Amino acid sequence: GAGVSQTPSNKVTEKGKYVELRCDPISGHTALYWYRQSLGQGPEFLIYFQGTGAADDSGLPNDRFFAVRPEGSVSTLKIQRTERGDSAVYLCASSSGQVGTEAFFGQGTRLTVV
Amino acid sequence: ELKVEQNPLFLSMQEGKNYTIYCNYSTTSDRLYWYRQDPGKSLESLFVLLSNGAVKQEGRLMASLDTKARLSTLHITAAVHDLSATYFCAVDMVVTDKLIFGTGTRLQVFP
Repeated sequence: GAGVSQTPSNKVTEKGKYVELRCDPISGHTALYWYRQSLGQGPEFLIYFQGTGAADDSGLPNDRFFAVRPEGSVSTLKIQRTERGDSAVYLCASSSGQVGTEAFFGQGTRLTVV
Repeated sequence: ELKVEQNPLFLSMQEGKNYTIYCNYSTTSDRLYWYRQDPGKSLESLFVLLSNGAVKQEGRLMASLDTKARLSTLHITAAVHDLSATYFCAVDMVVTDKLIFGTGTRLQVFP
């Protein structure tokens, strides 16, 4: 596609429920990133994929968060037993994976846990 | 742990004036990025700075990088209302390629 696509754009869920957020990167981009942005803050790194593997998952806050990229393209961020503190905008970005190339961000998924 | 700090956090400026936003980071990195974010929108890439002394300009915005001082600046020349947005710098962690973002500078340009 022309840009990074994220679905859904908005998600409201009840505390304790499971949610999945999807990211479709720019075609051909090998690197994929997930970030979380709380209101008034800068994006906070969650996880980085190079191809199918998670090269760095040090930003995942706890074991309720998990992400996959099984075929090296689309990625899914999964959150179990959601808590109100998980409410934020979840941003996905992709890049060509070459050194010094910028990452292009999707529009984000606004997650609200009630 | 890499820290990225921007100042000011909020900037209200009159159209036609000049100003500079500063981005300091705490560890060695040769790659720094500037992004713009409009309210409710995603991040738009503005500049990629890849070496010490790099300077890039686009319209009324100019970005520079001093890796020895661990400092990048975003200079605004003759501000116009359309520049109102939040500006983020981000530093590339050389080992893993993840970006660490600054706190953001919210810029408001008024007539």
